[in-house]
Amino acid sequence: DQQVKQNSPSLSVQEGRISILNCDYTNSMFDYFLWYKKYPAEGPTFLISISSIKDKNEDGRFTVFLNKSAKHLSLHIVPSQPGDSAVYFCAASAGGMYSGGGADGLTFGKGTHLIIQP
Amino acid sequence: NAGVTQTPKFRILKIGQSMTLQCTQDMNHNYMYWYRQDPGMGLKLIYYSVGAGITDKGEVPNGYNVSRSTTEDFPLRLELAAPSQTSVYFCASSYGTGVSGNTIYFGEGSWLTVV
Repeated sequence: DQQVKQNSPSLSVQEGRISILNCDYTNSMFDYFLWYKKYPAEGPTFLISISSIKDKNEDGRFTVFLNKSAKHLSLHIVPSQPGDSAVYFCAASAGGMYSGGGADGLTFGKGTHLIIQP
Repeated sequence: NAGVTQTPKFRILKIGQSMTLQCTQDMNHNYMYWYRQDPGMGLKLIYYSVGAGITDKGEVPNGYNVSRSTTEDFPLRLELAAPSQTSVYFCASSYGTGVSGNTIYFGEGSWLTVV
């Protein structure tokens, strides 16, 4: 049973437009959410995170929105650039952001392959 | 900054052979992890460690062993390799406490093929 779901295996967006990547989760104990970006033949790199006490977190071109009632989060990239083409993983932790939890790691979605077209 | 370093990057094993994937981190992180990623799938946790001398099983531990004798090193051993262990393996670490304690940092991956 997948606890973190990314239902779009791929997404194609024109350069300069907004990219919206979606993620749904089922475990109500999750309280910290992260997005990772992965290029081929490299490890995932941390992009942005949000705790359950917030509904929005922004970092430059990247914004993550969290809707707890719907158990849904999304990553917005605006404007999209060619270098944003990568696989994006949504991940969640039930460890508690301040408690030092999360010792058992993160639960990952299957990823969405974002393709930015010139 | 080296971050998380894992070796080897690529390896082909025969069925039944054993090998160790090495992992070291220089960020003084308490927590370390081993994940595997199969094609088209997300990352799945194999083993994790919250500190030197302490290890615990993750979601898919069968066929693997780990040890954590130092804060920096967290090797993953495959005993009696099987084709089902063909995968990409990622070592990772996190500080484990504080605001960003659950943010995990990954190594570049080790591609393992068992034939």
